[in-house]
Amino acid sequence: DQQVKQNSPSLSVQEGRISILNCDYTNSMFDYFLWYKKYPAEGPTFLISISSIKDKNEDGRFTVFLNKSAKHLSLHIVPSQPGDSAVYFCAASSGNNNDMRFGAGTRLTVKP
Amino acid sequence: GAVVSQHPSWVICKSGTSVKIECRSLDFQATTMFWYRQFPKQSLMLMATSNEGSKATYEQGVEKDKFLINHASLTLSTLTVTSAHPEDSSFYICSAGTGTHEQYFGPGTRLTVT
Repeated sequence: DQQVKQNSPSLSVQEGRISILNCDYTNSMFDYFLWYKKYPAEGPTFLISISSIKDKNEDGRFTVFLNKSAKHLSLHIVPSQPGDSAVYFCAASSGNNNDMRFGAGTRLTVKP
Repeated sequence: GAVVSQHPSWVICKSGTSVKIECRSLDFQATTMFWYRQFPKQSLMLMATSNEGSKATYEQGVEKDKFLINHASLTLSTLTVTSAHPEDSSFYICSAGTGTHEQYFGPGTRLTVT
C-alpha cells in the first residue's frame, strides 16, 4: 500500500521562480517527514525535515510546510536554480527511523 | 561526516549466480542499516532493516532466503542476492541510521542479471 504519495511525477519551472513539490500521506502515525534529493545512479541525499509538532521549517532556499489535518506536506524551493534539477522524494516515519516510507518521487527540472 | 559507501557500484552477473553488495558507514557507527530497492521511475522500496548482531527484519513480500542480509559490525552490512534472475535487476541502495530520524544513504549499486 502506498502510504506516501507524490502524485506529480514531474515538474518544470523557470530559473528564479518558485518550485512547489507536494506530498500526501495516509498513515496518521507518521510523525516525522523528510525530503530527499536524488540524482541518477546515486543515493538520495537529505534535504530538509519537519516534525509533526511544527507546521513549517525553513533552511535557506528550502521550506517545508506540513498540514497535518490534510495529511499533506510540500517543499518550496525559491528561487529555483538549474542545479536543483533532480528527483525529490518525500519520506515519512513514525516513532523511530525503522519505518520510513518513501513517495514515488517528483522529477524537478529547472530551466535556465 | 556521515558518509556511507557501497561496493560495488555496479555489477553484471549471469542468471543463477549470487552477488554480494557491501554497505559501510565510513565515519560513524550505524545502529541500524536499511536496504532499499528502486525500480526505474519508481519509489525506494524498503526491503529489510538490520541491527548489528541480530537477524534482519524483512518487509512483507521480500524473500529472506533470496536476499540474505548480514550485519557483522556497526559499520558493515552486506546484502547477498542468491540465485539471481533477470527480474532481480535493479538499483539497490543501503542507508545507515544512528538512532535519529535521519538516514544516510549510500551511492547505490546497479545490478544487472543477464
